[in-house]
Amino acid sequence: ILNVEQSPQSLHVQEGDSTNFTCSFPSSNFYALHWYRWETAKSPEALFVMTLNGDEKKKGRISATLNTKEGYSYLYIKGSQPEDSATYLCARCSHNAGNMLTFGGGTRLMVKP
Amino acid sequence: DTAVSQTPKYLVTQMGNDKSIKCEQNLGHDTMYWYKQDSKKFLKIMFSYNNKELIINETVPNRFSPKSPDKAHLNLHINSLELGDSAVYFCASSQDIQGREAFFGQGTRLTVV
Repeated sequence: ILNVEQSPQSLHVQEGDSTNFTCSFPSSNFYALHWYRWETAKSPEALFVMTLNGDEKKKGRISATLNTKEGYSYLYIKGSQPEDSATYLCARCSHNAGNMLTFGGGTRLMVKP
Repeated sequence: DTAVSQTPKYLVTQMGNDKSIKCEQNLGHDTMYWYKQDSKKFLKIMFSYNNKELIINETVPNRFSPKSPDKAHLNLHINSLELGDSAVYFCASSQDIQGREAFFGQGTRLTVV
C-alpha cells in the first residue's frame, strides 16, 4: 500500500447502531497513526494518536486499534448518535523529519435519528 | 480563544496576482504546517516548519513559500496565482515533530478567477 486508504468512503447508519471504519497505510517507516474527526464547516480535531503495535485507545463511545505490522487501524463507534455525524480521517506519520501527516480520504458518517 | 487562527477566511483574487494567508497559533507549539484540501477533498501536506527548519513537499510549486516571522506565525505566500490554486488551505500546529496531534485552523477558501 503506497497511500493511506480509508473504507468505506461513506456510511449511513441508524441512531444506536455500532459501526467501524478501516484505515490502511504503508507499514514501512511507520512512526504514528492519527485519527481526526471533521465536522462540516469546522476544523479537523484529533481523536487519537497511536504509535505502538497493538495499541488500543478509547474516548467515550469511540475506540481505535492499531496494527503496525500489517498496516491497518480500525475506528469503532458504539451506539452511534446523530452528533457523531462527521468525516473521520486517519493520517500516517512517518519517520521522515517534520511530523508531516499523510491523510486518507476519510469516511463520511451520517447517523439518522 | 482560537488556538490556531487563519486570515482571511475567504479570498477571491485574479490570476497572476500575489497573495498571502496569515496563520497564528497561541499554543506555544514548535511546529507549524500548511495543508491544501484538493478537489477530491483530500488534505495534502505542503510544508512543515520547525525551529527554522523547513521541510517542503516536493510536489508543491515554488510559487508557494512559507514565511515565519516567529515561532507563533507561519504565513503562506503565493506568487503568480493560477486557476488551479483554488482550494481550501489549512494551517496547523503541533507541539513538536514527534508524531503528536495537529491542531488545525478553520481554513482559508482561496478562489482564483
